[in-house]
Formats: sequence, C-alpha cells, structure tokens
Amino acid sequence: AQSVTQPDIHITVSEGASLELRCNYSYGATPYLFWYVQSPGQGLQLLLKYFSGDTLVQGIKGFEAEFKRSQSSFNLRKPSVHWSDAAEYFCAVLASGGSYIPTFGRGTSLIVHP
Amino acid sequence: NAGVMQNPRHLVRRRGQEARLRCSPMKGHSHVYWYRQLPEEGLKFMVYLQKENIIDESGMPKERFSAEFPKEGPSILRIQQVVRGDSAAYFCASSPDNQETQYFGPGTRLLVL
Repeated sequence: AQSVTQPDIHITVSEGASLELRCNYSYGATPYLFWYVQSPGQGLQLLLKYFSGDTLVQGIKGFEAEFKRSQSSFNLRKPSVHWSDAAEYFCAVLASGGSYIPTFGRGTSLIVHP
Repeated sequence: NAGVMQNPRHLVRRRGQEARLRCSPMKGHSHVYWYRQLPEEGLKFMVYLQKENIIDESGMPKERFSAEFPKEGPSILRIQQVVRGDSAAYFCASSPDNQETQYFGPGTRLLVL
C-alpha cells in the first residue's frame, strides 16, 4: 500500500520569499502524485499533478513541483510567496494501474508574514 | 462547468439526530467519493460510489453511516443518531471515468451539540 509523508506540519515564510514544501511517498512503482491547497473553510483545490513524462510539473497560481524518483519525493515550490498563499497544502499519491483512492498526507500549514 | 456542489455548507445537529449531506458531482462525472477531515488531520477516505452502486466502503464506520448515489439526484451521506465525535468536515469529490484525478467540493462542516 502507498503512503505519504509531509514532514513539516507548519512552515512560516515572509511575503516575497521562496517556498518549498516537502512530500515523500512510499510505493513500489511510479505513482500518480498530486498537490492540493485548502484555504480556511474551503474545499481542496488541485494545484498540480504528475502522471508521467517531464518530472518538473507546472501548476496554477505560480506553483511547480518536481518528481524525484531516486528520493521518492514530490516537493512543491514557488519562487515568490504572496500573502494569499497562506493555506493548508496536501500532497497525495495514487497507485497507478487500477487503484482509485488516493492517500493524503497530513498537510502542511503555510503561514505568510508581511 | 460547475464544480462539485455540496450542501449544506454548515450543519448543526443535536446528539441522536440524523444528518444528511448532499453532493452533486461535476457534470459528466459518474464517480463520487466521500472523505472526512478532523481538525489538523488529513483526509480519511470513507466510501466510493458510482451511480446506484457502492464500490468501496472500507473507510465507512460499520454503524450509523450509510451512503447512496441514486440514478437521479445527488449522492447522500447519511449519519444516523449523531454523536459529538461525528463533528468534522465532510468532503465529496468526483472524478471522470479514468478516475485519475479527483475534484473536491467545498465540504459540509457538521457540528454535533
């Protein structure tokens, strides 16, 4: 069975600074990988996803993520954070080839200082 | 194309009452998933349904919880005789036939007094 680890419960950055949120997964083959963002009181919005191909994936709102097979990681990055990026970020993994229920990490809460 | 719709957005119930949560998937999606989120926790899968069928209910509590997705109308998550521990945010997601990506609704926040 697959698993996801988001080692950082909280991350604090200053507005305008760069951001990297970590995600590590455990799965025997190459999984499908996702990042979702959840603003307070809202549902989850898909930021980006990786299925295959180019390991650097571009998403919405200026986010990108890089799949590194050797490290079993799919870290989310943004070069310059805006105050509106303050939210909860969830990494999710879906086993390729037949599974339909993704496994979600516990989430990383992003705090943005002015 | 409207996204996944959930209602109500907030629901308050007293212990012992019933809670009904509704979810309308995105247009063209026939797969619906229900998740529960407790404070400061990730999403926990509850049940996966297709039209008129429960495909996987491995995450559903054995008692008091049920779900359906009728041929017509929204999917319903029903919680009978609610207890305080049922207080949580309940999210519905839908996916197209390839099931590769799930799209989430805004959630229903259930508070049991």
